[in-house]
Amino acid sequence: AQKITQTQPGMFVQEKEAVTLDCTYDTSDPSYGLFWYKQPSSGEMIFLIYQGSYDQQNATEGRYSLNFQKARKSANLVISASQLGDSAMYFCAMREPTGNQFYFGTGTSLTVIP
Amino acid sequence: GAGVSQSPSNKVTEKGKDVELRCDPISGHTALYWYRQSLGQGLEFLIYFQGNSAPDKSGLPSDRFSAERTGGSVSTLTIQRTQQEDSAVYLCASSLGRNLAKNIQYFGAGTRLSVL
Repeated sequence: AQKITQTQPGMFVQEKEAVTLDCTYDTSDPSYGLFWYKQPSSGEMIFLIYQGSYDQQNATEGRYSLNFQKARKSANLVISASQLGDSAMYFCAMREPTGNQFYFGTGTSLTVIP
Repeated sequence: GAGVSQSPSNKVTEKGKDVELRCDPISGHTALYWYRQSLGQGLEFLIYFQGNSAPDKSGLPSDRFSAERTGGSVSTLTIQRTQQEDSAVYLCASSLGRNLAKNIQYFGAGTRLSVL
């Protein structure tokens, strides 16, 4: 089974609107970390936000927030007030403490429309 | 520098040649990862170094791929007898360490390898 699933290969959003990028994960470990990265056309992966499995509150970082639903094993990224510079690929990732790997999803391409 | 540095940024080589890709992690980061990203795809884990421990090589696709990390800092990924299917972007990342809950990876800009 896929560790990380991103079901939206491409998304469009109007500038200044909010958008939700979906991510579901699969693990039997009670302790894990969830990450979102942005990859603009320049290629560099940029860390956006982190959610720990034991964190009581949903993570927020500026315009980014993570809608963490533990029972559903989902960790959706919400971007508020979209900007043209938000156009990029977005990757969800998970790390389990028992292993060395970070598991990445296949990504969602976000296009912000002026 | 403050970030992860990779060189070269672009590499064009002929099929059958060997290539070396270099990664200089963030100072103080004990963990180092190599990934491969083919066009339009997600990240494929290749290898992981943690301090002086034996590396986790479970992601290396064939014995033509190898990596080393000297002095716990700079890492070199070597691909021998390159094939056209090796064409991809090779990304390096470093992080503070394995046992931290918030083990954020910081990535370099990658090396774009083209095998003709």
